[in-house]
Parts: sequence; C-alpha cells; structure tokens
Amino acid sequence: AQSVAQPEDQVNVAEGNPLTVKCTYSVSGNPYLFWYVQYPNRGLQFLLKYITGDNLVKGSYGFEAEFNKSQTSFHLKKPSALVSDSALYFCAVSDPRGPSSGSARQLTFGSGTQLTVLP
Amino acid sequence: NAGVTQTPKFQVLKTGQSMTLQCAQDMNHEYMSWYRQDPGMGLRLIHYSVGAGITDQGEVPNGYNVSRSTTEDFPLRLLSAAPSQTSVYFCASSYTRTGRESPLHFGNGTRLTVT
Repeated sequence: AQSVAQPEDQVNVAEGNPLTVKCTYSVSGNPYLFWYVQYPNRGLQFLLKYITGDNLVKGSYGFEAEFNKSQTSFHLKKPSALVSDSALYFCAVSDPRGPSSGSARQLTFGSGTQLTVLP
Repeated sequence: NAGVTQTPKFQVLKTGQSMTLQCAQDMNHEYMSWYRQDPGMGLRLIHYSVGAGITDQGEVPNGYNVSRSTTEDFPLRLLSAAPSQTSVYFCASSYTRTGRESPLHFGNGTRLTVT
C-alpha cells in the first residue's frame, strides 16, 4: 500500500531565509508526487507535481521540489521565504501501477506541515 | 468559471439527522471526489467518481453515500449523522479520468459539526 510521511508538524523560518518542508513516500513502483498548499478557511491549491523526467520540479509562487528516488523523498523548497508563504502544506503520492479501482488507486495525502514565516 | 463550488459552508447537525453536502464543478471534469480533513490526519478519501453513473469507495466510506447523475454534480449524503463525522469536508475534481496523475481542484470546504 502507498503511504506518505511528513515528519514535521510545524516548521518556522525567518523571512528571507530558505525553507524546506520534508516529505517521504512509499509505493511499489515509480510514484506520482504532489505538493498542495492550504490557506486558512480555504481548499487546497496545487503547487507542483513530479510525474517523470527532471528530478527538480519548479512550481507556483517560487516553490520547487526535488525527487530523490534513493531516499524516497520529495522535499519542498524555496530559496527565500515570504510571510505570505505561511500556510499548511500537504504532500501527496499515488502509484500509477496500483489497482484499477478502490482507494488504493487514488492520491494518499500526508498529515500536513504548518509553515510559519516570521517577519 | 466558478471552479468547484460547495454548499453549505457551515452546518450543525444533531446525532441521527441526515443531510446532503452539495458539490458542483463547471470545468467538465470527469473525476470528482470527497475528502474529509481532521487535525493531524491529513485528508482521507471518502468516495470518488470517474464519470457520470460511476462511483467507488475510498478509504473511509462508512456512513456516507454518493451518486453521480451528471458530470457537474457529486453530492455527499450523510445517512445518520454521528459525532465522529464532525470534520471539514472537501470536494475535488480533476480533468483526467483516473484522478491520480493530474492536479486536483478543491472547493472551499464544508465545516460540519455533529452534536
């Protein structure tokens, strides 16, 4: 079964500093990986995805993520954090070779990491 | 283009009551899904649909029913509300049929409290 872990419930970073939000995954084959962001009282918004190809994926709002197959990780990064980046971030994984039906074929979300950027 | 619209935004139910959470999308997406969000547990899939007339169970389907009579609408029915169903519910849609390789578009959620 596929799974995803976000080991940090909370990440604090000073404005202007680089930020990293960690994600590790487990699937039987090559994964599809996603990052979403959630602002208060809103639904999740898509940031970026890895399907295949270049291990460094660039997304919205200056975010990027690096796919590392040997470490089964997909950490979210940004070179210079903004106060407006403060939000809840979710990593998600799916297995393209998973079952053809049922919950196992769908996206599995991590528990989320609350990012706070301090002015 | 409104995207994914959920109604109501807030709802309070008493144990045993039933209700329907509405979800509509205007993007002609084939895939639609319902998630519940609970603190520290991320999002868990309740039910999903890969097209009109086709639904399937997710990770936590018990106590919920869905139907998909049109491409646009995917209502979620709580049959007999329980306090354990207190949560924030999100509807999401995607333009690819499988729902696992393309980004999901989320509604703004329905906050449900069952007393």
